[in-house]
Amino acid sequence: AAGVIQSPRHLIKEKRETATLKCYPIPRHDTVYWYQQGPGQDPQFLISFYEKMQSDKGSIPDRFSAQQFSDYHSELNMSSLELGDSALYFCASSSPMVEGRGTQYFGPGTRLLVL
Amino acid sequence: QKEVEQDPGPLSVPEGAIVSLNCTYSNSAFQYFMWYRQYSRKGPELLMYTYSSGNKEDGRFTAQVDKSSKYISLFIRDSQPSDSATYLCAMKDGSQGNLIFGKGTKLSVKP
Repeated sequence: AAGVIQSPRHLIKEKRETATLKCYPIPRHDTVYWYQQGPGQDPQFLISFYEKMQSDKGSIPDRFSAQQFSDYHSELNMSSLELGDSALYFCASSSPMVEGRGTQYFGPGTRLLVL
Repeated sequence: QKEVEQDPGPLSVPEGAIVSLNCTYSNSAFQYFMWYRQYSRKGPELLMYTYSSGNKEDGRFTAQVDKSSKYISLFIRDSQPSDSATYLCAMKDGSQGNLIFGKGTKLSVKP
């Protein structure tokens, strides 16, 4: 079965640079969530989109922005990167229309390292 | 106090043992409860999904939710070395809401 696709899988940036992370949800899933997981931490919710509109906002810094496109893929844009932004970034997708409505399926993550 | 509390372990058991993992929570509005398994440097993999109170069984895994006690459990029967991973409980109040995770319990199953 198709899963959530994230790219790139690994990214190395320097402080104050920008980064763009991409997420391709499972086909027919209309909701995308972004989570940040620091070393040894649980995933923390950043932001979510439903039908291309922002649906909820968590602990996302103002330096970050995201959007969902017409094909339902989503991009997380990160600017003025700081050392503390180094983490695993997960995208998850869900659909309220299938069994286990709202169940979130996670992608493999993008490992961001800020030097 | 975190909304979801989970003992981080580590938990080490011999192969074939029954494993019990637990989480407690404080938000009575939570209705959707999930268990994820996460291998090192990988994405969380959905194991079990339960709506409201009750039990759910899938192979060697059984999930239990007791909303009156705000307590959820995951049982793994006949544990295998391949079950060695971090187990995260997660929950939310609405079908579209974001997940609130526990800290995760690191499980090691020794051959």
